[in-house]
This record gives sequence, C-alpha cells and structure tokens, in this order.
Amino acid sequence: AAGVIQSPRHLIKEKRETATLKCYPIPRHDTVYWYQQGPGQDPQFLISFYEKMQSDKGSIPDRFSAQQFSDYHSELNMSSLELGDSALYFCASSSSSAGGTYEQYFGPGTRLTVT
Amino acid sequence: AQSVSQHNHHVILSEAASLELGCNYSYGGTVNLFWYVQYPGQHLQLLLKYFSGDPLVKGIKGFEAEFIKSKFSFNLRKPSVQWSDTAEYFCAVSKLFMNTGFQKLVFGTGTRLLVSP
Repeated sequence: AAGVIQSPRHLIKEKRETATLKCYPIPRHDTVYWYQQGPGQDPQFLISFYEKMQSDKGSIPDRFSAQQFSDYHSELNMSSLELGDSALYFCASSSSSAGGTYEQYFGPGTRLTVT
Repeated sequence: AQSVSQHNHHVILSEAASLELGCNYSYGGTVNLFWYVQYPGQHLQLLLKYFSGDPLVKGIKGFEAEFIKSKFSFNLRKPSVQWSDTAEYFCAVSKLFMNTGFQKLVFGTGTRLLVSP
C-alpha cells in the first residue's frame, strides 16, 4: 500500500539559510499534518491543512510557513534557519471520509541539520 | 491545557519480562488514543489505536492496551518482551471535533525501553 512520502530524507543547511520540506500524502487523503521532533523530544504539532486550507496551528515559528497544493501535497518552508531548528520533521496524512476515524499515517520524516 | 502523561521515562527489562507502560490524558469528550513505537533512527509506527468499542485493543507484535475511561488512562502492555522491542514508545491522543473532524495528535514525552538479552 502507498505510504506518506517525504523529501528530502536528510537536509543540511547553514544558519540563516532557507529550507523547503515536501510531503506527499497517501492517495485520496485530504488532510496533512506537520510535526517537529527535536533530539530526545516528543513530536510537537506544527500545522495542518484540510482541502488546501489551514485547519489548525500549533507551535510553528513565524519564520516557518506551509501550504497544501491542489494535488494535496504540502510544503513546509523554513527561513532564517537557527541551530534550534535541527530536528526530525514528520508529515502525516489522514482522510476525512475514513469512517470518522481520522487515523494519521506518518511519513519517514526529514532530518534537518542546521550548522 | 491538554496534556498526555507518560509516567516512565526509562524502563529496563530482561527478555521475557512483562511490560506495562502508563499513559494518562487530560481531555474531556471524545478522544482517539494511540500508541506509537519509534525504533532508533526510524519514523513513528502505529502499534495500536482505540476509537470506540471494546476498551481492550490488540495491536501488532503482541502489544495490547486497555482504555479505562474513568481513569483517563490507556496503558500499554506486553506479556513477554523481546530484545527487538528496544525502542521509544509514545502515547498520543487526538480530540475529535464533530464539525470538522480535524485533530492534531498530542504526544506524551515518550518512554525509552531497553530490553537486555
């Protein structure tokens, strides 16, 4: 079965640079979620999109922005990167028509290292 | 504030020992409950989930969990652990919004399990 795809899997950037993370949800999933997991930390919710509209917002810095496109893939744009942005970024997707369960399926994550 | 508490941050067991990891949440209303496992360097994998019905749910790899609504708990259990169960385990809760259904996962702080052979 198709899973959530994230690219790139690894990314190394320098401070003050920008980064773009991409997420391709499971086909026919209409909701995408972004989570950030710092070293030794639990995943923290950043933002979610449903049908290309922002549906919920968590602890996402103002330097970050995200959107969901017409094909339902999503991109997380990160500017003015800081050392503290080094983390594993997970994307998850779910279907609003999946019998009301809304189970989230996680991608493999993008490991961002800021030097 | 909405929160998920995992009582044990580090657990060390010998192979064949029984495992129980505690999880409590502080939400009211309808919730979905999950346990995820994260092997070293890997992504989150769903172990089991509870949406409704039988409060005792069985997951993959011999894991099970019991939802006790009165105690706001969703403890994870396994009768006999294996060395390959060494990983970090996260309890997570999502609250159902009836109008939109959109729900973020709120994770506990995780429990690192080390199983010695």
